[in-house]
Amino acid sequence: EDKVVQSPLSLVVHEGDTVTLNCSYEVTNFRSLLWYKQEKKAPTFLFMLTSSGIEKKSGRLSSILDKKELFSILNITATQTGDSAIYLCAVEEAAGNKLTFGGGTRVLVKP
Amino acid sequence: GAVVSQHPSWVICKSGTSVKIECRSLDFQATTMFWYRQFPKQSLMLMATSNEGSKATYEQGVEKDKFLINHASLTLSTLTVTSAHPEDSSFYICSARESSGPRGTQYFGPGTRLLVL
Repeated sequence: EDKVVQSPLSLVVHEGDTVTLNCSYEVTNFRSLLWYKQEKKAPTFLFMLTSSGIEKKSGRLSSILDKKELFSILNITATQTGDSAIYLCAVEEAAGNKLTFGGGTRVLVKP
Repeated sequence: GAVVSQHPSWVICKSGTSVKIECRSLDFQATTMFWYRQFPKQSLMLMATSNEGSKATYEQGVEKDKFLINHASLTLSTLTVTSAHPEDSSFYICSARESSGPRGTQYFGPGTRLLVL
């Protein structure tokens, strides 16, 4: 059975801090790993990673995938209160295209 | 970016009634749509994969007769919770995958909160 595990479960930081979120996975037929940000409603897409070692960046957020060790990290630098959310990692399998989500990491950024 | 809508956003119903939730891809065609359920403080759990013009594929433990899925067009999928009970109260989210290109990102709808009294 496909498995996605995120850590930590939650963390509290102050504005300006850097956070690193972890996602490890076990998937039979890996296609891609995706990161989403969920605030009050449905998740919004952040990154899709398919290749090892290639960092993807979007503003203060960046992510990288290690397909050998089966994990990904999401970094947020110079955090702001608007970064407070649940960050979800999901792995897409090649057959069927379905996503298996991790439990999420709840991030709270205090002013 | 691609937009997915869901309707209604909120529904409160009595136990035993059926509730239909619509999921639409507004500016792209989606051969495949997915239905998820999310309980409070938990992650998204895939319920079923909806393919246009064919029967949905349900995940283990999800009753297909209770959660009826219809994907009649490339832009619309519906989920009907039949004979809803309080334990069906949850946040239901759909996502749609772009048909074009070799690989498409899933875009999520805003979700539907269902409360069964």
